[in-house]
Amino acid sequence: GESVGLHLPTLSVQEGDNSIINCAYSNSASDYFIWYKQESGKGPQFIIDIRSNMDKRQGQRVTVLLNKTVKHLSLQIAATQPGDSAVYFCAEKDGAGNMLTFGGGTRLMVKP
Amino acid sequence: DAMVIQNPRYQVTQFGKPVTLSCSQTLNHNVMYWYQQKSSQAPKLLFHYYDKDFNNEADTPDNFQSRRPNTSFCFLDIRSPGLGDAAMYLCATSRLDRKDLPHFGNGTRLTVT
Repeated sequence: GESVGLHLPTLSVQEGDNSIINCAYSNSASDYFIWYKQESGKGPQFIIDIRSNMDKRQGQRVTVLLNKTVKHLSLQIAATQPGDSAVYFCAEKDGAGNMLTFGGGTRLMVKP
Repeated sequence: DAMVIQNPRYQVTQFGKPVTLSCSQTLNHNVMYWYQQKSSQAPKLLFHYYDKDFNNEADTPDNFQSRRPNTSFCFLDIRSPGLGDAAMYLCATSRLDRKDLPHFGNGTRLTVT
């Protein structure tokens, strides 16, 4: 079936460096994508989203890039901080309703 | 202020002993969801309510049931927990508006002994 998945299970970066977390999706009809951050013992928290009519969206220290040609999504975190350590999930929202499909998650570890 | 509240945060139950997890919300959202999240995995939708209308995912085992007595509360009942049901259970709410994303609680971690 259709799926949303991630390439890297664990990413370790030095504090202050930039982080890039990748995600591949297979449903060509997907038109809305979201990145969530999940800290230990907490529920997923919204970070940033992007619709399929865009290829880039920027937030505070975060940027999401969407490449529809290769069905690829990435999250870039600038000047990574220890507080960014968490598991990051991409998710796709279906076209018919309100359901989220999550990808497999990437654990980001920030070294001081 | 917590808007989606799950109790308890940690729940231990015995193999085969029924257990109920609870979720309440102060957002007055129409939709309430239950997700199961096993260790190092993504959340997986079990079912959701739109108001009182129950929507079960096709692959959710019959062992999992849910109740929504009113807008604010939703319960997850596991009739006969197995060891494989140990997981974090996440409740979420949203308006039925495609622009509105689910707001997640902090989950209940279930241990089955």
